Amino acid sequence: NAGVTQTPKFQVLKTGQSMTLQCAQDMNHNSMYWYRQDPGMGLRLIYYSASEGTTDKGEVPNGYNVSRLNKREFSLRLESAAPSQTSVYFCASSEDGTGVGYTFGSGTRLTVV
Amino acid sequence: QKEVEQNSGPLSVPEGAIASLNCTYSDRGSQSFFWYRQYSGKSPELIMSIYSNGDKEDGRFTAQLNKASQYVSLLIRDSQPSDSATYLCAVMGGGSYIPTFGRGTSLIVHP
Repeated sequence: NAGVTQTPKFQVLKTGQSMTLQCAQDMNHNSMYWYRQDPGMGLRLIYYSASEGTTDKGEVPNGYNVSRLNKREFSLRLESAAPSQTSVYFCASSEDGTGVGYTFGSGTRLTVV
Repeated sequence: QKEVEQNSGPLSVPEGAIASLNCTYSDRGSQSFFWYRQYSGKSPELIMSIYSNGDKEDGRFTAQLNKASQYVSLLIRDSQPSDSATYLCAVMGGGSYIPTFGRGTSLIVHP
């Protein structure tokens, strides 16, 4: 039982390059989320998907797009990376909206130079 | 805007002592409260959840909730060096199932 799997674990991009961060969960959870974590800023929600087929913006969506490919997979795309997007990205999932806590993936450390 | 406040620390306690971590929140409609532990370079891990006023105990951890005063705390008894981590408070409710996270408190347990 892997839980939430994120790929890649590390990535270095040049400014302007694009990339997709992948996330998959095997817990049959309905809701999935993408966060970024920066020093001193805590966890900030980028996008979330309450259920398969729906996506919504979070606190910091600019510069990102998402796709809920199916119930298991939720990807985050950076179309034109900027140094301000250097961060650690976490994917998370939860069973539904009843208040049960999240399960986080191991994170992707992204550096944009 | 919903706010969740935590002292960034670090909070330093000796091994065997009680560590007390505090969190205050702004939204009176909040209904669900969570504590996550995050080791350096790792992802957050849910360790406690609490939904009603009072105390909830799980092993060496006790979560305390006081909705009237809008604070939630985490007590760690018999602290161990392995408890050294950042502890994130998360608050959910008021019509939203998206939690608001605090910035975390760094705990250092020294031998």
